[in-house]
Amino acid sequence: EAQVTQNPRYLITVTGKKLTVTCSQNMNHEYMSWYRQDPGLGLRQIYYSMNVEVTDKGDVPEGYKVSRKEKRNFPLILESPSPNQTSLYFCASSFGLAAGANVLTFGAGSRLTVL
Amino acid sequence: KQEVTQIPAALSVPEGENLVLNCSFTDSAIYNLQWFRQDPGKGLTSLLLIQSSQREQTSGRLNASLDKSSGRSTLYIAASQPGDSATYLCAVRLYGQNFVFGPGTRLSVLP
Repeated sequence: EAQVTQNPRYLITVTGKKLTVTCSQNMNHEYMSWYRQDPGLGLRQIYYSMNVEVTDKGDVPEGYKVSRKEKRNFPLILESPSPNQTSLYFCASSFGLAAGANVLTFGAGSRLTVL
Repeated sequence: KQEVTQIPAALSVPEGENLVLNCSFTDSAIYNLQWFRQDPGKGLTSLLLIQSSQREQTSGRLNASLDKSSGRSTLYIAASQPGDSATYLCAVRLYGQNFVFGPGTRLSVLP
Protein backbone atom coordinates (compact mmCIF):
# COMPACT_ATOMS: atom_id res chain seq x y z
CA GLU A 1 0.00 0.00 0.00
CA ALA A 2 1.30 3.43 -0.97
CA GLN A 3 1.74 5.44 2.19
CA VAL A 4 3.67 7.87 4.34
CA THR A 5 4.63 6.35 7.68
CA GLN A 6 5.49 8.41 10.74
CA ASN A 7 6.90 7.15 14.01
CA PRO A 8 6.26 7.50 16.85
CA ARG A 9 2.58 8.33 16.63
CA TYR A 10 2.51 9.53 20.23
CA LEU A 11 5.37 10.68 22.42
CA ILE A 12 5.70 12.36 25.79
CA THR A 13 9.17 13.61 26.57
CA VAL A 14 10.94 16.13 28.78
CA THR A 15 12.61 19.41 27.98
CA GLY A 16 16.07 19.03 26.50
CA LYS A 17 15.95 15.33 25.65
CA LYS A 18 16.83 14.95 21.98
CA LEU A 19 14.30 13.13 19.87
CA THR A 20 13.76 12.12 16.26
CA VAL A 21 10.46 11.66 14.49
CA THR A 22 10.90 9.43 11.48
CA CYS A 23 9.06 9.75 8.18
CA SER A 24 9.23 7.21 5.39
CA GLN A 25 7.38 6.99 2.07
CA ASN A 26 7.22 4.07 -0.35
CA MET A 27 6.09 5.99 -3.44
CA ASN A 28 9.48 7.13 -4.75
CA HIS A 29 8.45 10.76 -4.19
CA GLU A 30 10.99 13.52 -4.70
CA TYR A 31 9.30 16.12 -2.49
CA MET A 32 8.87 15.69 1.27
CA SER A 33 7.80 18.15 3.95
CA TRP A 34 7.17 18.53 7.68
CA TYR A 35 4.32 20.55 9.19
CA ARG A 36 3.12 21.29 12.66
CA GLN A 37 -0.49 21.97 13.51
CA ASP A 38 -1.62 23.89 16.57
CA PRO A 39 -5.15 24.99 17.55
CA GLY A 40 -6.00 28.33 15.98
CA LEU A 41 -2.73 28.49 14.01
CA GLY A 42 -3.46 26.07 11.20
CA LEU A 43 -0.84 24.07 9.37
CA ARG A 44 2.64 25.59 9.44
CA GLN A 45 5.55 24.30 7.42
CA ILE A 46 8.78 23.50 9.26
CA TYR A 47 11.13 22.20 6.54
CA TYR A 48 10.78 20.73 3.09
CA SER A 49 12.98 18.82 0.68
CA MET A 50 12.78 18.75 -3.10
CA ASN A 51 15.11 15.77 -3.43
CA VAL A 52 17.99 13.91 -1.80
CA GLU A 53 20.44 16.26 -0.06
CA VAL A 54 18.23 19.30 -0.85
CA THR A 55 16.39 20.85 2.10
CA ASP A 56 14.87 24.28 2.73
CA LYS A 57 13.38 26.11 5.67
CA GLY A 58 9.67 26.59 5.90
CA ASP A 59 7.85 29.15 8.00
CA VAL A 60 8.80 27.86 11.47
CA PRO A 61 12.20 26.08 11.30
CA GLU A 62 13.59 27.29 14.62
CA GLY A 63 14.43 24.43 16.99
CA TYR A 64 14.23 21.74 14.31
CA LYS A 65 16.68 19.97 12.01
CA VAL A 66 16.10 17.65 9.08
CA SER A 67 18.16 15.51 6.75
CA ARG A 68 17.46 13.84 3.42
CA LYS A 69 20.15 11.24 2.88
CA GLU A 70 17.84 8.79 1.14
CA LYS A 71 14.87 9.47 -1.08
CA ARG A 72 12.38 7.56 1.06
CA ASN A 73 13.28 9.01 4.50
CA PHE A 74 12.98 12.52 5.92
CA PRO A 75 13.51 12.51 9.70
CA LEU A 76 12.65 15.50 11.89
CA ILE A 77 15.11 16.10 14.71
CA LEU A 78 14.46 18.11 17.85
CA GLU A 79 17.90 18.61 19.38
CA SER A 80 16.67 20.19 22.61
CA PRO A 81 12.87 20.07 22.76
CA SER A 82 11.00 22.77 24.63
CA PRO A 83 7.34 22.92 25.76
CA ASN A 84 6.46 25.27 22.88
CA GLN A 85 7.22 22.40 20.50
CA THR A 86 4.29 20.45 21.90
CA SER A 87 2.18 19.95 18.79
CA LEU A 88 0.73 17.60 16.19
CA TYR A 89 3.31 16.94 13.48
CA PHE A 90 2.64 15.79 9.94
CA CYS A 91 4.96 14.52 7.25
CA ALA A 92 3.88 14.67 3.61
CA SER A 93 5.31 13.69 0.24
CA SER A 94 4.67 14.16 -3.46
CA PHE A 95 6.20 13.67 -6.86
CA GLY A 96 8.01 16.66 -8.29
CA LEU A 97 6.53 18.93 -10.97
CA ALA A 98 7.90 16.78 -13.79
CA ALA A 99 5.45 14.02 -12.89
CA GLY A 100 1.89 14.32 -14.12
CA ALA A 101 0.19 13.26 -10.91
CA ASN A 102 1.57 15.03 -7.88
CA VAL A 103 -0.98 14.64 -5.15
CA LEU A 104 0.42 15.56 -1.74
CA THR A 105 0.06 12.54 0.55
CA PHE A 106 0.12 12.92 4.33
CA GLY A 107 1.15 10.65 7.15
CA ALA A 108 -1.20 9.94 10.05
CA GLY A 109 0.52 12.44 12.34
CA SER A 110 2.72 12.35 15.43
CA ARG A 111 1.43 13.92 18.62
CA LEU A 112 4.34 15.22 20.65
CA THR A 113 4.15 16.51 24.21
CA VAL A 114 7.19 18.17 25.80
CA LEU A 115 7.00 18.55 29.57
CA LYS B 1 4.78 35.91 -1.18
CA GLN B 2 1.83 33.65 -1.95
CA GLU B 3 -0.98 33.84 0.60
CA VAL B 4 -3.99 31.56 0.72
CA THR B 5 -7.20 32.42 2.55
CA GLN B 6 -10.41 30.48 3.06
CA ILE B 7 -13.90 31.79 3.69
CA PRO B 8 -15.84 31.09 5.79
CA ALA B 9 -13.70 29.98 8.72
CA ALA B 10 -16.58 27.86 10.00
CA LEU B 11 -19.91 26.77 8.60
CA SER B 12 -22.86 24.91 10.09
CA VAL B 13 -25.62 23.61 7.82
CA PRO B 14 -28.53 21.18 8.08
CA GLU B 15 -28.20 17.83 6.37
CA GLY B 16 -29.13 17.79 2.69
CA GLU B 17 -28.02 21.31 1.84
CA ASN B 18 -25.70 22.10 -1.04
CA LEU B 19 -22.79 24.24 0.07
CA VAL B 20 -19.79 26.12 -1.27
CA LEU B 21 -16.41 26.58 0.35
CA ASN B 22 -14.10 29.28 -0.94
CA CYS B 23 -10.33 29.45 -1.35
CA SER B 24 -8.44 32.54 -2.54
CA PHE B 25 -4.79 32.97 -3.43
CA THR B 26 -2.83 36.13 -4.12
CA ASP B 27 -0.49 35.01 -6.92
CA SER B 28 -2.02 33.34 -9.98
CA ALA B 29 1.28 31.65 -10.92
CA ILE B 30 0.36 28.30 -9.45
CA TYR B 31 1.06 24.80 -10.75
CA ASN B 32 -2.03 23.20 -9.25
CA LEU B 33 -4.52 23.45 -6.41
CA GLN B 34 -5.57 20.67 -4.10
CA TRP B 35 -8.46 20.30 -1.67
CA PHE B 36 -8.05 18.24 1.49
CA ARG B 37 -10.29 16.97 4.24
CA GLN B 38 -9.13 16.62 7.84
CA ASP B 39 -11.02 14.92 10.65
CA PRO B 40 -10.14 16.05 14.20
CA GLY B 41 -6.70 14.82 15.26
CA LYS B 42 -6.24 12.94 11.99
CA GLY B 43 -4.11 13.35 8.91
CA LEU B 44 -5.15 15.19 5.76
CA THR B 45 -6.84 13.26 2.98
CA SER B 46 -6.68 14.52 -0.58
CA LEU B 47 -10.10 15.09 -2.15
CA LEU B 48 -9.46 16.74 -5.49
CA LEU B 49 -6.50 18.11 -7.41
CA ILE B 50 -6.93 20.67 -10.20
CA GLN B 51 -4.04 21.37 -12.54
CA SER B 52 -3.54 25.01 -13.51
CA SER B 53 -4.76 24.27 -17.04
CA GLN B 54 -8.04 22.81 -15.80
CA ARG B 55 -11.22 24.60 -14.77
CA GLU B 56 -12.82 21.93 -12.59
CA GLN B 57 -12.66 18.43 -11.19
CA THR B 58 -15.42 16.21 -9.87
CA SER B 59 -15.50 13.26 -7.51
CA GLY B 60 -18.87 11.95 -6.43
CA ARG B 61 -20.74 14.73 -4.62
CA LEU B 62 -17.72 17.01 -4.72
CA ASN B 63 -16.90 19.50 -7.44
CA ALA B 64 -13.95 21.86 -7.33
CA SER B 65 -13.46 24.77 -9.71
CA LEU B 66 -10.45 26.92 -10.40
CA ASP B 67 -10.26 30.46 -11.76
CA LYS B 68 -6.58 31.27 -11.86
CA SER B 69 -6.99 34.78 -13.22
CA SER B 70 -9.11 35.83 -10.26
CA GLY B 71 -7.14 33.75 -7.75
CA ARG B 72 -10.10 31.71 -6.62
CA SER B 73 -11.22 28.12 -6.18
CA THR B 74 -14.50 26.79 -4.86
CA LEU B 75 -15.38 23.40 -3.45
CA TYR B 76 -19.02 22.51 -3.98
CA ILE B 77 -20.52 19.77 -1.81
CA ALA B 78 -23.90 18.49 -2.96
CA ALA B 79 -26.52 17.03 -0.65
CA SER B 80 -24.38 17.35 2.47
CA GLN B 81 -24.36 14.55 5.05
CA PRO B 82 -23.28 14.46 8.72
CA GLY B 83 -20.28 12.37 7.61
CA ASP B 84 -19.05 15.39 5.65
CA SER B 85 -18.35 17.19 8.93
CA ALA B 86 -14.63 17.95 8.97
CA THR B 87 -12.16 20.73 8.26
CA TYR B 88 -11.52 21.40 4.58
CA LEU B 89 -8.20 22.89 3.50
CA CYS B 90 -6.99 24.09 0.14
CA ALA B 91 -3.36 24.24 -0.92
CA VAL B 92 -1.67 25.70 -3.97
CA ARG B 93 1.50 24.25 -5.43
CA LEU B 94 4.02 26.78 -6.64
CA TYR B 95 6.35 26.41 -9.62
CA GLY B 96 9.17 26.30 -7.08
CA GLN B 97 7.59 22.98 -6.01
CA ASN B 98 6.52 24.01 -2.51
CA PHE B 99 2.93 24.07 -1.24
CA VAL B 100 1.09 26.88 0.52
CA PHE B 101 -1.94 26.00 2.64
CA GLY B 102 -5.01 27.97 3.60
CA PRO B 103 -6.24 28.02 7.22
CA GLY B 104 -9.21 25.77 6.50
CA THR B 105 -13.00 25.87 6.82
CA ARG B 106 -14.55 23.89 9.67
CA LEU B 107 -17.79 22.33 8.44
CA SER B 108 -20.54 20.91 10.64
CA VAL B 109 -23.47 19.15 8.98
CA LEU B 110 -26.32 18.73 11.43
CA PRO B 111 -28.64 15.69 11.24
